[in-house]
Amino acid sequence: GAGVSQSPSNKVTEKGKDVELRCDPISGHTALYWYRQRLGQGLEFLIYFQGNSAPDKSGLPSDRFSAERTGESVSTLTIQRTQQEDSAVYLCASSPGVPGTQYFGPGTRLLVL
Amino acid sequence: QKEVEQNSGPLSVPEGAIASLNCTYSDRGSQSFFWYRQYSGKSPELIMSIYSNGDKEDGRFTAQLNKASQYVSLLIRDSQPSDSATYLCAVKWSGGSNYKLTFGKGTLLTVNP
Repeated sequence: GAGVSQSPSNKVTEKGKDVELRCDPISGHTALYWYRQRLGQGLEFLIYFQGNSAPDKSGLPSDRFSAERTGESVSTLTIQRTQQEDSAVYLCASSPGVPGTQYFGPGTRLLVL
Repeated sequence: QKEVEQNSGPLSVPEGAIASLNCTYSDRGSQSFFWYRQYSGKSPELIMSIYSNGDKEDGRFTAQLNKASQYVSLLIRDSQPSDSATYLCAVKWSGGSNYKLTFGKGTLLTVNP
């Protein structure tokens, strides 16, 4: 079956612009996660969705970051007024409910000029 | 602050040798441990999970868990150049949320032909 998909695969934007990153999880997966990975660094947890609700937003770096999920499916991560330090790979993962079994998408590589 | 520590490497081994990757964690009560592999420019993929003290084998991979010493390791037997990747250790902390994983920064493994 289809895996987790993310779009766009690459995004170059100018400082101050808003960007939207999309994640399509594996069908039927109730849990969805967003991570950020800076070059040469580990995975930084951003937010977790169970269904359409986000019980844990503790990893969002600032109020410029927001995310939503609709229909217990697609999720969108929005970064407003992008800054150069937002440049990273943004990874989405979904899980059928077993916490460790996370399936990752290919990521969106964001470059803020 | 709960932490997962890994030697960043690079760990370099010759083809056919055993590669040993180690991970320590700070929460003694943690119950679930995972190893993910991440090829350069790709997203992480789950390769092993372990929940009980001792060894768990899957093909050329063996995960070892020692809860008393708070470490988990991954052995790769008969290492192949295709095993060259960054290996991420992930831990689900005890109590609190039952969904969140904390990832180490990863160990870069290079298998030389």
